[in-house]
Amino acid sequence: EAEVAQSPRYKITEKSQAVAFWCDPISGHATLYWYRQILGQGPELLVQFQDESVVDDSQLPKDRFSAERLKGVDSTLKIQPAELGDSAMYLCASSSGGFETQYFGPGTRLLVL
Amino acid sequence: EDQVTQSPEALRLQEGESSSLNCSYTVSGLRGLFWYRQDPGKGPEFLFTLYSAGEEKEKERLKATLTKKESFLHITAPKPEDSATYLCAVQAGGSNYKLTFGKGTLLTVNP
Repeated sequence: EAEVAQSPRYKITEKSQAVAFWCDPISGHATLYWYRQILGQGPELLVQFQDESVVDDSQLPKDRFSAERLKGVDSTLKIQPAELGDSAMYLCASSSGGFETQYFGPGTRLLVL
Repeated sequence: EDQVTQSPEALRLQEGESSSLNCSYTVSGLRGLFWYRQDPGKGPEFLFTLYSAGEEKEKERLKATLTKKESFLHITAPKPEDSATYLCAVQAGGSNYKLTFGKGTLLTVNP
């Protein structure tokens, strides 16, 4: 069964350091999403890609966060510099397009000390 | 702005004790309402999509229903393995396909 892959699963870093997360969507899925989930809350969209293009990054803190999907397949989300408030679960999801079901990966749990 | 409110925040049941979780929503032009299950430390697992009022979907001990203002997730004769956080999300019509999630209901089923 096809799954969304994410790495690393866990990351501990100190504030002001740079971190990067990687996501490989389900093969053939054109739409890729990055969500952030704070403990006890639902996921919130950070950025959405359609193929290699950004569709929505209105909730992405662009002063420190960046995301890319260069070849329209896998994607990287970067934080530089990390702040204490960035501690959360970072989830990647993909869909075959548009309004189709979004399937989530296992997430990357980030702890900023 | 799209909003999703889930209740209760936490629910504790005995094995075999049926109950329902509620998801109330306000959205501009509902395209779909989604239910996900999330185990601790893992990503959300897709359960159901509902598209129009009156629609119902079932999977094992779970049944999801939809009205114009809310959705219910009915759990019949739950087992301990049904313990998880259940998330509800809405997707509005338009060019943006993002999901707006509620905070979830933490379900604990005791043996």
